[in-house]
Amino acid sequence: AQTVTQSQPEMSVQEAETVTLSCTYDTSESDYYLFWYKQPPSRQMILVIRQEAYKQQNATENRFSVNFQKAAKSFSLKISDSQLGDAAMYFCAYRSAFASGTYKYIFGTGTRLKVLA
Amino acid sequence: SQTIHQWPATLVQPVGSPLSLECTVEGTSNPNLYWYRQAAGRGLQLLFYSVGIGQISSEVPQNLSASRPQDRQFILSSKKLLLSDSGFYLCAWRPPGQPYGYTFGSGTRLTVV
Repeated sequence: AQTVTQSQPEMSVQEAETVTLSCTYDTSESDYYLFWYKQPPSRQMILVIRQEAYKQQNATENRFSVNFQKAAKSFSLKISDSQLGDAAMYFCAYRSAFASGTYKYIFGTGTRLKVLA
Repeated sequence: SQTIHQWPATLVQPVGSPLSLECTVEGTSNPNLYWYRQAAGRGLQLLFYSVGIGQISSEVPQNLSASRPQDRQFILSSKKLLLSDSGFYLCAWRPPGQPYGYTFGSGTRLTVV
């Protein structure tokens, strides 16, 4: 069975600085998707970024980028120029490409990011 | 545009009471629907998913059940709540054929007392 591990329960970053959130996963599959979701205090889950395992190029969305190391099964999220609005719980998630139509996601336990003014 | 509605936002229920949480999606047809639970200090756990009316798959055996009486309506129920049912419940949907990208509802905070 696949697992997703986020070993940092909480992180802090100074406004305008850069922070990296860690995520490791375990799978025997070769094709899958990885995601980072943001859950602000409003509790609405928002997709931040996704990565297809077959792509070697790391995904980037504005200030958010990932470092995808397939061999190491590592998928970290880098937030550049941190803003107060980035404060939230961040979840790493895995989805098999062979989900038989269910498209079930496996989530990590989350990292709470605090942004200091 | 497509939207997902989930209610109530907050609920406090005594142990042994019934539960009904509702989730509806607008602006799409035949969505895949999901119920997730987020317990304190834990990640999101998939409870149920549905690929069509009346089609429910359960991921975790428990005190809860789900139903899909209409194409865009997904209901989470319990006949008798337990303290361990407390948590944050999220409904999500995905358009058929789209390989990724859930859209989540705003969630229901359930406290069983």
